[in-house]
Amino acid sequence: QVQLVHSGAEVKKPGASVKVSCKASGYTFTKYAMHWVRQAPGQGLEWMGWINAASGNTKYSQRFQGRVTITRDTSANTVYMELSSLRSEDSAVYYCARDPYGYKFYFDFWGQGTLVTVSS
Amino acid sequence: QSALTQPASVSGSPGQSITISCTGTSSDVGGYNYVSWYQQHPGKAPELMIYEVSNRPSGVSDRFSGSKSGNTASLTISGLQAEDEADYYCSSYTSSSTHVVFGGGTRLTVL
Repeated sequence: QVQLVHSGAEVKKPGASVKVSCKASGYTFTKYAMHWVRQAPGQGLEWMGWINAASGNTKYSQRFQGRVTITRDTSANTVYMELSSLRSEDSAVYYCARDPYGYKFYFDFWGQGTLVTVSS
Repeated sequence: QSALTQPASVSGSPGQSITISCTGTSSDVGGYNYVSWYQQHPGKAPELMIYEVSNRPSGVSDRFSGSKSGNTASLTISGLQAEDEADYYCSSYTSSSTHVVFGGGTRLTVL
């Protein structure tokens, strides 16, 4: 069965960077795109960007352009999301979500999420 | 402020039907059939309920249905059950530099 397993919770200081991983199993990794979506405490969902797992091509939301980098390691079936210049408003649960087509922008499986806390 | 507008809350009694609206613009909901809906229970990851406006993934109850008219998409849940109580989010592809937009979410309460 499809599983997306996140790395553990992180606590970071303002200005630092965080790198979250999402390990996929149960399907052919390179046949699907992967997106990152975050959710601040008590708030709604916010799309950050996505990666074509086969080509490594990426697209990011303008809101995070320059601060977010999404990469993948096909040998490890793992996608990474790195967010830099962290501020308190970046405290959120970060989810990876699989996209079956890569151009229809819907997400059929989600990871359990990684809580990132930014605090001095 | 979210790009797509949803009511903050809706409620219904068991067995009733409810509809959640999701209003965008011609750059997102109105311009593409890439509207999806997600259910999220507290402390859990979202789950896909509807994709491409009106398609249900396998395993999702046929009590859930989606539609679209102009710039507004809708999710209808018929025969409400206690386990339907959750937050619901709509999402759409957008031609803006954001690429994907979500609604602010609707809290469904089953009375």
